Amino acid sequence: EPEVTQTPSHQVTQMGQEVILRCVPISNHLYFYWYRQILGQKVEFLVSFYNNEISEKSEIFDDQFSVERPDGSNFTLKIRSTKLEDSAMYFCASSPGLAVLGTQYFGPGTRLTVL
Amino acid sequence: RKEVEQDPGPFNVPEGATVAFNCTYSNSASQSFFWYRQDCRKEPKLLMSVYSSGNEDGRFTAQLNRASQYISLLIRDSKLSDSATYLCVVGFGNQFYFGTGTSLTVIP
Repeated sequence: EPEVTQTPSHQVTQMGQEVILRCVPISNHLYFYWYRQILGQKVEFLVSFYNNEISEKSEIFDDQFSVERPDGSNFTLKIRSTKLEDSAMYFCASSPGLAVLGTQYFGPGTRLTVL
Repeated sequence: RKEVEQDPGPFNVPEGATVAFNCTYSNSASQSFFWYRQDCRKEPKLLMSVYSSGNEDGRFTAQLNRASQYISLLIRDSKLSDSATYLCVVGFGNQFYFGTGTSLTVIP
């Protein structure tokens, strides 16, 4: 069964450093998403991406964040200058069409620890 | 303002019991509704979509009441493997709002 993959599984970084989290969505999917989940809290929507541009983004997704689909398979989330409060699990998801009509498939997540 | 609210529980039930979870949402224009389950430190996995007509998948039944902005999930004949956190998810456009989740532990 096809699945969304994410690398690395755990990233440790120093405050102020840039990090890039990588995702490989399911190959025939068209919509891509990033979510984060701070430990013990709810899953929070960050951004959706379609046709090589941001479709929607939340208030959390400020200028420190950016997304890119650099080639036909990868989907990345960049945090330019990490803060302590960016420590969280980051989930990538993809869906074959608009997720209001069907399923989002989630990757296993990248745990980001900012020291 | 909380977009999606759930009782966090925990719900501790014996095997074979029936358990119900509820969820309310604040945006009356919400377009899509889902229940996901999340095991500890794992990714959310879709359990079922929720429709106004109600839908059933084996032991799981979901209901949506748009007038009351309320979603429910009923689990019958609980199994040990049902132990997880159940997430209510509401979508508007291509943006999705998760509840904090309701923790369920099924006890032998």
